Amino acid sequence: EVQLLESGGGLVQPGGSLRLSCAVSGFTFSSHTMGWVRQAPGKGLEWVSAISGSGGDTSYPDSVKGRFTSSRDNSKSTLYLQLNSLRAEDTAIYYCAKAPMGNYYFDYWGQGTLVTVSS
Amino acid sequence: EIVMTQSPATLSVSPGERATLSCTASQSVSTKLAWYQQKPGQAPRLLIYGASTTATGIPARFSGSGSGTEFTLTISSLQSEDIAVYYCQQYTTWLRTFGQGTKVEIK
Repeated sequence: EVQLLESGGGLVQPGGSLRLSCAVSGFTFSSHTMGWVRQAPGKGLEWVSAISGSGGDTSYPDSVKGRFTSSRDNSKSTLYLQLNSLRAEDTAIYYCAKAPMGNYYFDYWGQGTLVTVSS
Repeated sequence: EIVMTQSPATLSVSPGERATLSCTASQSVSTKLAWYQQKPGQAPRLLIYGASTTATGIPARFSGSGSGTEFTLTISSLQSEDIAVYYCQQYTTWLRTFGQGTKVEIK
């Protein structure tokens, strides 16, 4: 059974940093592109990062480029998202998600971790 | 960036009736289009990929169609458990984008 479990969310001040983790099981982690998608309170879904199975390729939308960094440790089957220079508008539930091999949609999602940026 | 626009924002449908949701892309995405269902307090769930292929375990009343820039998600006979927000997503490139969502409610 595929499982994704996020952690690391919490309350952080504007300008601060946070690192999210996503521990996975039930599939060959290193074979799959992974991503992060966020959802601000009462709002829709926004894709924020993707990383290839090897970790060698990453992509981000302009809204987070230069502030967020995705990485992975395939030996630990864990995905990470480093959030820097956080702003109030980064407040959201952050979901990690798995992509099927060779494709860019997401077939499995975690339950999410809440990041709140506030002073 | 490819912009995805969904309509309507809210759809009210009687139980057992058909629900038709639309998604329009600002440029062609071929059939690189997925649909997700999100119930309150839950993570999104994949319904459709490749514009028309139903994901594993999804009831047969859900179907997708379209290509290029115009796509449709159809729920053939709405059930109470289908109350949710539905999102489309293009994945023609690494720069994936979602639509703003359509909320389906019971009339």
